[in-house]
Amino acid sequence: QQQVKQSPQSLIVQKGGISIINCAYENTAFDYFPWYQQFPGKGPALLIAIRPDVSEKKEGRFTISFNKSAKQFSLHIMDSQPGDSATYFCAASRRFAGNNRKLIWGLGTSLAVNP
Amino acid sequence: DAGITQSPRHKVTETGTPVTLRCHQTENHRYMYWYRQDPGHGLRLIHYSYGVKDTDKGEVSDGYSVSRSKTEDFLLTLESATSSQTSVYFCAISGISGTEAFFGQGTRLTVV
Repeated sequence: QQQVKQSPQSLIVQKGGISIINCAYENTAFDYFPWYQQFPGKGPALLIAIRPDVSEKKEGRFTISFNKSAKQFSLHIMDSQPGDSATYFCAASRRFAGNNRKLIWGLGTSLAVNP
Repeated sequence: DAGITQSPRHKVTETGTPVTLRCHQTENHRYMYWYRQDPGHGLRLIHYSYGVKDTDKGEVSDGYSVSRSKTEDFLLTLESATSSQTSVYFCAISGISGTEAFFGQGTRLTVV
């Protein structure tokens, strides 16, 4: 049972185009939604994150759009560059017993930006 | 990179042997995690720790055990390695907020 569903599994975009990756979740207890970027041979690194009290967050060419009612959030990469070629993971975080937190991960999207 | 060191970075071991992977952090973060990453499965949580000697199971804990005797060290042990445990293992840490996770460089483990 995948609590965070990510699509597409892979994506090919031309340089300068817009890359869009989507995620959906079911548990309304999630209160923090990060996106991670992973290059081959490296660990994932936080790219951008959003909390459900805002509908959009932008950092440079990267934007998260958040739709609380639909329980969906997406990553938009504007003016995609070959250096953006990587695997992108969405995640959702919630508190549980003992005020601890846990991240639930999507399965990842492999993005290739053609020059 | 955040102060996380995984060792070894690569290991080949034989089926049935015990294997221990080490994660060392210099950030004094509360939470530490062990994940495995396999094609088509994303990141799957094996075990995590929310303090010294406080650990809990993740979604794929069978065949794995962990220990955290010091804040900075989190050990993952494969009691008797199997070929299905061939994977890339990542350690991650996060602070008191438990939100942002910082990952190590990974350990590529091959069980033959």
